[in-house]
Amino acid sequence: QKEVEQDPGPLSVPEGAIVSLNCTYSNSAFQYFMWYRQYSRKGPELLMYTYSSGNKEDGRFTAQVDKSSKYISLFIRDSQPSDSATYLCAYLPGSARQLTFGSGTQLTVLP
Amino acid sequence: EPEVTQTPSHQVTQMGQEVILRCVPISNHLYFYWYRQILGQKVEFLVSFYNNEISEKSEIFDDQFSVERPDGSNFTLKIRSTKLEDSAMYFCASSLAGVVTDTQYFGPGTRLTVL
Repeated sequence: QKEVEQDPGPLSVPEGAIVSLNCTYSNSAFQYFMWYRQYSRKGPELLMYTYSSGNKEDGRFTAQVDKSSKYISLFIRDSQPSDSATYLCAYLPGSARQLTFGSGTQLTVLP
Repeated sequence: EPEVTQTPSHQVTQMGQEVILRCVPISNHLYFYWYRQILGQKVEFLVSFYNNEISEKSEIFDDQFSVERPDGSNFTLKIRSTKLEDSAMYFCASSLAGVVTDTQYFGPGTRLTVL
């Protein structure tokens, strides 16, 4: 079983749509959960970080973690063409700094 | 806004040659990292570096690889005797040294092509 599973897409939505991105993980050592955004020809950029089950909101973005199901989600409200990018889920164990990434979901928001 | 920079943006080398990839981390950061992304695959952790020594490394980071902080601003990844499968995008990152969850800021990457 892969340590992290993420639907690679591609996902194409109209401007203003609500986008749902998901990852599952199998490693119980993961304690911290991140979402990174990667534009073409750029490095990953941290969007959101959380460590507990539940929801965390930041503007149009909401990160949701369900530790019992080992499932995390990122919701984007009122999606904009500038949100078009690859979204990577990422995890940290509690004791180390090595990020484990999902394979990324490529999102296109059409004007 | 401070950012991590990497040079060159694209490096082409012949199999068996040595390459050095360079990074300038954010100036007040103390933890440095290298990750790589083979085309179409995940971003993978290679190594982290703190206080002039390797802090963590993955199974990928074998004797072929080495890292160095040659001066107060640069952080380098050396790949000896490159192989075709070393072709990938290599990302440098840096973070503060407070807690394990300090944000890792990534550079734009160096695309390495081994022929």
